[in-house]
Amino acid sequence: QIHLVQSGAEVKKPGASVKVSCKASGYTFTDYYMHWVRQAPGQGLEWMGWINPITGDTDYAQKFQGWVTMTRDTSINTAYMELSRLKSDDTAVYYCAKVGPYCTNGVCYDYWGQGTLVTVSS
Amino acid sequence: NFMLTQPHSVSESPGKTVIISCTGSSGSIASNYVQWYQQRPGSAPTIVIYDDNQRPSGVPDRFSGSIDGSSNSASLTISRLKTEDEADYYCQSSVSGNWVFGGGTKLTVL
Repeated sequence: QIHLVQSGAEVKKPGASVKVSCKASGYTFTDYYMHWVRQAPGQGLEWMGWINPITGDTDYAQKFQGWVTMTRDTSINTAYMELSRLKSDDTAVYYCAKVGPYCTNGVCYDYWGQGTLVTVSS
Repeated sequence: NFMLTQPHSVSESPGKTVIISCTGSSGSIASNYVQWYQQRPGSAPTIVIYDDNQRPSGVPDRFSGSIDGSSNSASLTISRLKTEDEADYYCQSSVSGNWVFGGGTKLTVL
């Protein structure tokens, strides 16, 4: 059974950084890209970027370039998303999402983490 | 930047059929696969349609997807509505390596 288990809620001050983890189990971690998506309170989904677990290669949405860093540790099947220089409007639930094996061109997600609420407040 | 536009909300009665649209801002939506996700309050999204019109295992056949090139839009159709279908629905596509979500549609089943 596939699970993506994320780290717990965080409260950060403006200007700080946050690092969210996503531990995968039930499948071969290096077989599928991992994406990160966030959702501000009461708002829609926003794609942030992806990481190739084999190579560590990343691609970030233009909005987040220079500001987000995605990494992974294949020894513990865990992906990480670090967001720096936090502002109040970065308050959101952050999700990791695994690309599905049936998705053409790797466009869809078959499993999601439970989400991590990051609150940015002074 | 490429955008996907969805109606903010739709409502329909149990047993009826509802169609949720997703319109591309430019180019041809038919050139890139469209996915649909269901999100219930307090939960992570789950996929209900991938590759325009394919259902993952476990998704009821009441859910179907289609593409209309003439209107540059995709649609999610849910037939024989159940109260459990009440949720937010998001379309998603990828253009030039950027994954884009629609703004989401709140489905109310009343």
